[in-house]
Amino acid sequence: GIQVEQSPPDLILQEGANSTLRCNFSDSVNNLQWFHQNPWGQLINLFYIPSGTKQNGRLSATTVATERYSLLYISSSQTTDSGVYFCAVLLSETSGSRLTFGEGTQLTVNP
Amino acid sequence: DTAVSQTPKYLVTQMGNDKSIKCEQNLGHDTMYWYKQDSKKFLKIMFSYNNKELIINETVPNRFSPKSPDKAHLNLHINSLELGDSAVYFCASSQERPSGGGYAHTDTQYFGPGTRLTVL
Repeated sequence: GIQVEQSPPDLILQEGANSTLRCNFSDSVNNLQWFHQNPWGQLINLFYIPSGTKQNGRLSATTVATERYSLLYISSSQTTDSGVYFCAVLLSETSGSRLTFGEGTQLTVNP
Repeated sequence: DTAVSQTPKYLVTQMGNDKSIKCEQNLGHDTMYWYKQDSKKFLKIMFSYNNKELIINETVPNRFSPKSPDKAHLNLHINSLELGDSAVYFCASSQERPSGGGYAHTDTQYFGPGTRLTVL
C-alpha cells in the first residue's frame, strides 16, 4: 500500500517562530488533507490540497503532486498551535476511497 | 450545529463485554467511515459505508460489526472486548462524486470528536 512519511516527528518552538512540516508519499494520490489534532484529541481539518498552494491565516500549505510531497507552513507560532499535525492522502479506487495517514508531527510551542 | 457527532465520548468497560458507539452526521454526505487511533496516535481506516452499503472492510476482526441504518448514521458494535481494543475511535463523513472509470472522487473528510474506549 501507499506509504506516507512525515518529518520531523517532533518539533519544539518558541512562540513567534516559524516552521515547516513535510509530508512525502510513495504513489500518486487523488487528494491530500492536513489535520491538526489538538491536546483534547479533536481532529481539525486544516487544508484539502491535491495540488498548489492555499493559505488560511498564519497557516499555508503547498502540494507538489508530481514530486509526491506536501509542506505545511506555520508562521508566528502560538501556544495554541501545539498538538499533532497529520498529513493524510486519499486514494480513490473501485474498492472505495480511503485516507492513509502519516505518523504525524508532534509540535510543542512554548511561551 | 455539530457536523459529525459521536456518543459516548468516553467508554470504560471490562474485557469480554459488548459495547456500541454511535455516529451521526448532518452534512448530507453519503459516505461514512470508522477510523481507529492507537496508543501511538497512528490513525487507520477500519470501515467505510456509502449509502448504507459496506465498501471498505480493512481486515478488522469480525468482533467489530458496523451498521448503517441510514445515510446519516453509522454505528460500531464491538463484541467480546479485548484489552487491545483500547483506542480512540473516530467517525468521519464525506461526499463521493463519480469521476468516471468506475472510480469515485471523495471530497474532504470531516471527523467527529472521537470516542476513547478503555478496556480493563
